[in-house]
Amino acid sequence: AQSVTQPDIHITVSEGASLELRCNYSYGATPYLFWYVQSPGQGLQLLLKYFSGDTLVQGIKGFEAEFKRSQSSFNLRKPSVHWSDAAEYFCAVRGYNKLIFGAGTRLAVHP
Amino acid sequence: DAGVTQSPTHLIKTRGQHVTLRCSPISGHKSVSWYQQVLGQGPQFIFQYYEKEERGRGNFPDRFSARQFPNYSSELNVNALLLGDSALYLCASSSPTGRTEAFFGQGTRLTVV
Repeated sequence: AQSVTQPDIHITVSEGASLELRCNYSYGATPYLFWYVQSPGQGLQLLLKYFSGDTLVQGIKGFEAEFKRSQSSFNLRKPSVHWSDAAEYFCAVRGYNKLIFGAGTRLAVHP
Repeated sequence: DAGVTQSPTHLIKTRGQHVTLRCSPISGHKSVSWYQQVLGQGPQFIFQYYEKEERGRGNFPDRFSARQFPNYSSELNVNALLLGDSALYLCASSSPTGRTEAFFGQGTRLTVV
């Protein structure tokens, strides 16, 4: 069955520290993968996407993600976190006519 | 260009009532999808519509229905509301094929009391 697992429910980092959010997927074919960010009470904003090609993809707000087929992973990274990055982050894989989301990782940023 | 717009932004309904949520996709997008996001969880797929036809349906009861209009806007209807239907309902628009992403609206927060 197609699924997405985000192992970390909550992560807290200090402002300026690096960040890595984990995402593992289960999908039979070549996956189309996405990371979205959601501020409280808001909709989802696309950070970046992977369809094919270079396994390291760049997104908005200084985020990047690396696709590793051997590990079925698509981890999100940022070298230096800003207080405004505090939000919930969702990894998703495209299934047939739908997106399949993980449960999300809530990021808190300490000053 | 306007993004995906949803209305209303918030509403409160009583158990057993009916609700209609509305969505206008990005101009040029012909596919609309609906998702339910319960507090603390990731969005769950409800429906996808393309060219006024249902192209996908998630694991939701028949109380949930939707339709798409000739201008590609969409409505999500929920009958006989239950407390468990309280959630953020998200609409997304996209091109239906190829390497494209889904763009989401701000959602409608439904509270059932």
